Amino acid sequence: NAGVTQTPKFQVLKTGQSMTLQCAQDMNHEYMSWYRQDPGMGLRLIHYSVGAGITDQGEVPNGYNVSRSTTEDFPLRLLSAAPSQTSVYFCASSYGGTGIGYGYTFGSGTRLTVV
Amino acid sequence: GQQVMQIPQYQHVQEGEDFTTYCNSSTTLSNIQWYKQRPGGHPVFLIQLVKSGEVKKQKRLTFQFGEAKKNSSLHITATQTTDVGTYFCAGGTGANNLFFGTGTRLTVIP
Repeated sequence: NAGVTQTPKFQVLKTGQSMTLQCAQDMNHEYMSWYRQDPGMGLRLIHYSVGAGITDQGEVPNGYNVSRSTTEDFPLRLLSAAPSQTSVYFCASSYGGTGIGYGYTFGSGTRLTVV
Repeated sequence: GQQVMQIPQYQHVQEGEDFTTYCNSSTTLSNIQWYKQRPGGHPVFLIQLVKSGEVKKQKRLTFQFGEAKKNSSLHITATQTTDVGTYFCAGGTGANNLFFGTGTRLTVIP
């Protein structure tokens, strides 16, 4: 099992560009989520999904879109990149929304810089 | 909204000393989880606590969940250089999602 796979690992964007961060899991987890991690801010929830076809906003959703067409994939789209979106992005999955029993499994992260 | 506060933000210890990080929630939690993130890595699940007053141990790590289910602590006995990293607590409220604390970055001086 690969667990949670994120691509790319590193990305540099120019202000105004758009891109998609990919996330795939092979554990048949219903719940998937995207977090951003900034120094001193911990992990902040961007968007999450409780199953295919269902998504919802987290704490910091502005400037990001998600969709969940399959159980395995949960891509995060940056619509028009801004320097404030420079961050490390983590995708996580679990059997349930609160990770009861097994916790969240995180991907290795995407380090994004917007110039 | 839901807030999970964690202190201290940073902690430097000599190898062999003990270390404790504390987590406090503004609301009652259904469960609390702890994660460790090595420098340059991703968070890795350590443990989950569900019951009021619960105490769990993993080798040199002791985890506690408060009686009111609003606070938790992680204590490491006799730190080693392999303990270096950031420790996060994350609280669940019974609905979807976990709310992560800001983390405590542990540095162990050999």
